[in-house]
Amino acid sequence: SQKIEQNSEALNIQEGKTATLTCNYTNYSPAYLQWYRQDPGRGPVFLLLIRENEKEKRKERLKVTFDTTLKQSLFHITASQPADSATYLCALDGSNDYKLSFGAGTTVTVRA
Amino acid sequence: DADVTQTPRNRITKTGKRIMLECSQTKGHDRMYWYRQDPGLGLRLIYYSFDVKDINKGEISDGYSVSRQAQAKFSLSLESAIPNQTALYFCATSDLHRDEQYFGPGTRLTVT
Repeated sequence: SQKIEQNSEALNIQEGKTATLTCNYTNYSPAYLQWYRQDPGRGPVFLLLIRENEKEKRKERLKVTFDTTLKQSLFHITASQPADSATYLCALDGSNDYKLSFGAGTTVTVRA
Repeated sequence: DADVTQTPRNRITKTGKRIMLECSQTKGHDRMYWYRQDPGLGLRLIYYSFDVKDINKGEISDGYSVSRQAQAKFSLSLESAIPNQTALYFCATSDLHRDEQYFGPGTRLTVT
């Protein structure tokens, strides 16, 4: 069956450190993978998209990698700040038909 | 003003009642989606529409129906609400030429 698995445990890190989140998928062949941020009681907000032919993408303090052999994406928040505290969702288009399948998310808490 | 709006934001209803959740967007996007979010399960697609005359079922459409009244409006109905439809519901939109989705603020629905 198809699965998208993100870090099962919440991530608690010290301000200034790098947070690394994982997204593993099974039985998908995605053309791209996306990451979203969700704050409590709010809708997800798009952060980054990485395509199958791209190894790495950066946006400010965010970095995403995509390894189609390992079927894994890593999401890094460098120089983390308390304002980065949120739940981060990975999503992929497994059927190349503009429908996204989402992981359950990883909650990150950055301590000052 | 928000680009994607949802009404109501919160709703408590009784088992067996019919309820409609509404979504409006000012982004000019053709594609619209309805998701539900349950703790630990992530976002699951209920229905989606790629233009006014196009309606498609998602992975969990049983017990739900939708109406695309205009490019900007996409409504989700629960014909006879049941307690396991208690969840957070999100509407999202996307542009024909881009893959990221833009989410509304969500509707918290409780069925007692």
